[in-house]
Amino acid sequence: DAKTTQPNSMESNEEEPVHLPCNHSTISGTDYIHWYRQLPSQGPEYVIHGLTSNVNNRMASLAIAEDRKSSTLILHRATLRDAAVYYCILTYSGGGADGLTFGKGTHLIIQP
Amino acid sequence: GAGVSQSPSNKVTEKGKDVELRCDPISGHTALYWYRQSLGQGLEFLIYFQGNSAPDKSGLPSDRFSAERTGGSVSTLTIQRTQQEDSAVYLCASSPRIGASGAKNIQYFGAGTRLSVL
Repeated sequence: DAKTTQPNSMESNEEEPVHLPCNHSTISGTDYIHWYRQLPSQGPEYVIHGLTSNVNNRMASLAIAEDRKSSTLILHRATLRDAAVYYCILTYSGGGADGLTFGKGTHLIIQP
Repeated sequence: GAGVSQSPSNKVTEKGKDVELRCDPISGHTALYWYRQSLGQGLEFLIYFQGNSAPDKSGLPSDRFSAERTGGSVSTLTIQRTQQEDSAVYLCASSPRIGASGAKNIQYFGAGTRLSVL
């Protein structure tokens, strides 16, 4: 399976933008890029996903490199509630219902 | 609408006892998944159901673990003769439809069952 690499932790200030990087140099053409986050004492929560083009939703934006070997999750204005572990995950688009492969993710710390 | 519901939220048991963990997926979701998260560790995928069928059980940690799903809805994860290493948070997720494009594999998670084996 194609793997992802993320920094162990990042720190940002409240109300500032946050850019969370993810490297996936062995991504295949049929892999989607998904981001989930896990707040303390909760189950993971879907954030956003994309294939080739940049994506925006109410939670965040996803910027995908032209060669698709990396991507960046952008939180436009971080709040204390955004403090969580963020996971970048590749999912095969060819069918089936495989379980998600979670790495260690990035622990995002938000300073007030 | 209601999300994925798991019960109990916490379970304390003695080593050697059997436990059953329950998951109520989002209504209409075809796929259901079980994961385990040990303290300080990442999430480990255990098993998934497509309808009532579990095509691949190889992710279950040992033969003490089993899971079933009935009526395409509720699922139960059973751990027999629990061991201390089974202590973890067990998470359930569901997703709308197998093989859907675009939103394929977006999984909706419950809050988990925290299992403590003494």
